[in-house]
Amino acid sequence: AQKVTQAQTEISVVEKEDVTLDCVYETRDTTYYLFWYKQPPSGELVFLIRRNSFDEQNEISGRYSWNFQKSTSSFNFTITASQVVDSAVYFCALSARGGKGGSEKLVFGKGTKLTVNP
Amino acid sequence: DSGVTQTPKHLITATGQRVTLRCSPRSGDLSVYWYQQSLDQGLQFLIQYYNGEERAKGNILERFSAQQFPDLHSELNLSSLELGDSALYFCASSVVGSGANVLTFGAGSRLTVL
Repeated sequence: AQKVTQAQTEISVVEKEDVTLDCVYETRDTTYYLFWYKQPPSGELVFLIRRNSFDEQNEISGRYSWNFQKSTSSFNFTITASQVVDSAVYFCALSARGGKGGSEKLVFGKGTKLTVNP
Repeated sequence: DSGVTQTPKHLITATGQRVTLRCSPRSGDLSVYWYQQSLDQGLQFLIQYYNGEERAKGNILERFSAQQFPDLHSELNLSSLELGDSALYFCASSVVGSGANVLTFGAGSRLTVL
């Protein structure tokens, strides 16, 4: 079965600190996709990044960066120079096989609540 | 605005009642997903439809049902409501039903069962 573990339930940092959110996944599939979503206090879920299992290159987008390591089944997310607006719950997710017709569903971790204090 | 529209935004009802949550997917998206978010269970996948047909089923209770209509909007019906059904229900859509697709989420419908 597919599983996503975000061991950090809550993290609190001071503005401008760097913070890394951990994500460990389990799957038997050789082809899979990993995602990060952000849920700000307003409640909506916002897509941040998608990574397929064949692309282990790290990615940087502004202050955000992602480190994908298949050897450790991890897909960690780092925010550099955090800002108050980064305060949100961050979810790591894995697309998993399920259902008829070979469709795939998205399995989410429990989320990490990040609080950035001024 | 994500393009996925969910109504109602908030709903308060009593135990034993039945409610219907509605979702209009983003224009061009054929697949609709329903998720339930609660404090203890996190984000749980309920069900997926693709172009009107059920594609995948998750932890959806028998008291719950859903469908996707020819115009691609979807409804989630929750019946014989219990206190534990209080949660935020998200609808998401994607172009097709592939796991590679990015899901676009609506703002959610917050259900409170008293």
